[in-house]
Amino acid sequence: AQSVTQPDARVTVSEGASLQLRCKYSYSGTPYLFWYVQYQRQGLQLLLKYYSGDPVVQGVNGFEAEFSKSDSSFHLRKASVHWSDSAVYFCAASPNYGGSGNKLIFGTGTLLSVKP
Amino acid sequence: EAAVTQSPRNKVAVTGGKVTLSCNQTNNHNNMYWYRQDTGHGLRLIHYSYGAGSTEKGDIPDGYKASRPSQENFSLILELATPSQTSVYFCASGDPWGANTLYFGAGTRLSVL
Repeated sequence: AQSVTQPDARVTVSEGASLQLRCKYSYSGTPYLFWYVQYQRQGLQLLLKYYSGDPVVQGVNGFEAEFSKSDSSFHLRKASVHWSDSAVYFCAASPNYGGSGNKLIFGTGTLLSVKP
Repeated sequence: EAAVTQSPRNKVAVTGGKVTLSCNQTNNHNNMYWYRQDTGHGLRLIHYSYGAGSTEKGDIPDGYKASRPSQENFSLILELATPSQTSVYFCASGDPWGANTLYFGAGTRLSVL
């Protein structure tokens, strides 16, 4: 069955430290991959997405993610976090073709807390 | 200006009552979706639609109906609300040829007592 796993329910880092949030997927073929962020009591916003090509994709606010086919992973990274990055981060996957109905499968989310 | 707008933002309902959650999008996207968000489960797909007049079952459709009367509007209906349906509900829209990116509303927090 297709699935997206975020093994860390909660991550706490100090402001200015580097960050990695983990995401593993189980999917037939190579899916489209996404990271969304949800700030408190708001909807989800797209951070970045991977379709093909360069395995490292850049997103907003200094976030990047690296796709690994061999490891079935799509980890999110940031070199230096800010307190405003505190939020819930969701990894998601969908079929890698247009017209598929955009049916995304979401992971359970990782709550990031940034300590001042 | 929010492109996906949900109403109400908060709702308290009684068990057995009828609840309608509304969603309006100005993205002119064909596809619309209803998800619920629960701790430990992430987002789970309830119903979705490919366009006006169409509704499809998602992964957890039991106890929910959906209605898509127009390109812009997509409603989620709980005919007989139960406490297990207490959750945060998100509506989203997407362009089927836009590489599957979804655009979300701000959510509706529903409590069924």
